[in-house]
Amino acid sequence: AQSVTQLDSHVSVSEGTPVLLRCNYSSSYSPSLFWYVQHPNKGLQLLLKYTSAATLVKGINGFEAEFKKSETSFHLTKPSAHMSDAAEYFCVVSENSGGYQKVTFGTGTKLQVIP
Amino acid sequence: KAGVTQTPRYLIKTRGQQVTLSCSPISGHRSVSWYQQTPGQGLQFLFEYFSETQRNKGNFPGRFSGRQFSNSRSEMNVSTLELGDSALYLCASSLEGGLYEQYFGPGTRLTVT
Repeated sequence: AQSVTQLDSHVSVSEGTPVLLRCNYSSSYSPSLFWYVQHPNKGLQLLLKYTSAATLVKGINGFEAEFKKSETSFHLTKPSAHMSDAAEYFCVVSENSGGYQKVTFGTGTKLQVIP
Repeated sequence: KAGVTQTPRYLIKTRGQQVTLSCSPISGHRSVSWYQQTPGQGLQFLFEYFSETQRNKGNFPGRFSGRQFSNSRSEMNVSTLELGDSALYLCASSLEGGLYEQYFGPGTRLTVT
């Protein structure tokens, strides 16, 4: 069975400090993993994706994530937070299930950036 | 290339009525998925259509239904609206679904009174 757990519902960081948003997944097969961001009153935007190529994935706006199969994790990081990073972030897992793709969203992590 | 468009953007309905929401995917995308987003339940998957066929479905009652047309445009219908159906309904399109990233529309904000 496929599932995704975002370990923190809220994360607060100071501007200029590192960001770490944690995501653990469960998948029967080789999954594809994504991070999406949703700014207030806006639609979701893809940050980055992992599809069994390099385990360290670089995305937009300086974000990156590392796929660790042994830990079943796909944590999102950024070296230095910016005020514009304040948003909600969703970890997503996708795998082939019964002949078609099944997509599961995490419950989201709200990132607050303190000036 | 134009993004995913959803109409209407805002809708107010009365309990017991029905509603139809529309989604136009990015040109060339064949997969359209629908999601419900609420403060309490978060982002929940409703269903996915691919080449006019529903191929994946979430855990929602039969009052929620959808369809996809030959041009990949999709509609979602909710019958006998309940107060709890108030939510942001998001549509996402992708080339083939699943492994391919989804592009989201701005959503339709449905309020049921």
